[in-house]
Amino acid sequence: DVKVTQSSRYLVKRTGEKVFLECVQDMDHENMFWYRQDPGLGLRLIYFSYDVKMKEKGDIPEGYSVSREKKERFSLILESASTNQTSMYLCASSFKGGGAGSTDTQYFGPGTRLTVL
Amino acid sequence: SQQGEEDPQALSIQEGENATMNCSYKTSINNLQWYRQNSGRGLVHLILIRSNEREKHSGRLRVTLDTSKKSSSLLITASRAADTASYFCATDPNDYKLSFGAGTTVTVRA
Repeated sequence: DVKVTQSSRYLVKRTGEKVFLECVQDMDHENMFWYRQDPGLGLRLIYFSYDVKMKEKGDIPEGYSVSREKKERFSLILESASTNQTSMYLCASSFKGGGAGSTDTQYFGPGTRLTVL
Repeated sequence: SQQGEEDPQALSIQEGENATMNCSYKTSINNLQWYRQNSGRGLVHLILIRSNEREKHSGRLRVTLDTSKKSSSLLITASRAADTASYFCATDPNDYKLSFGAGTTVTVRA
């Protein structure tokens, strides 16, 4: 059975702290994604990775960085947490697909609700 | 940037009734997907419909796609309390990435 796990369900941090959110998938997927979800705004893509050590910015990368040292693990880093980064963070993974123009189903983790005080 | 937009934003129905929600998008797509999210949880994939398909069924779910109108609909028949959730459409304007709408929140009343 497909599984994507996230390191914490709930996290409370202070402004200025460095925050690490970890995501692990066991499906040997090439693609991994980090989204944030805010009421009324849906899911917005922060960063994604299509291979180990490869990353691309999504729609809202400011204030975030990522790391993918191993295929199964994708980390989201908040270099200096701010209150406007309080949100639900969702990790997802997918196969690379059948070539250009083919986008596969994404499998999501349970989410991490981060509060920055 | 969001490509898909769901309508309505919220829907309340009685158990046993059907629920219909719509999704409109802006650019051409290869496929369109629908996902469900139970409160405070991650998204779960429901169904994928390719751009050359017009209708697809999965259990109590029926999805239609009209590429000429750039719209899709999701119908849940004979709704149950367990169908209470938010539903999102997702399109693929770029390779690998999906663009999600803001979702339709469905409440099924007992």
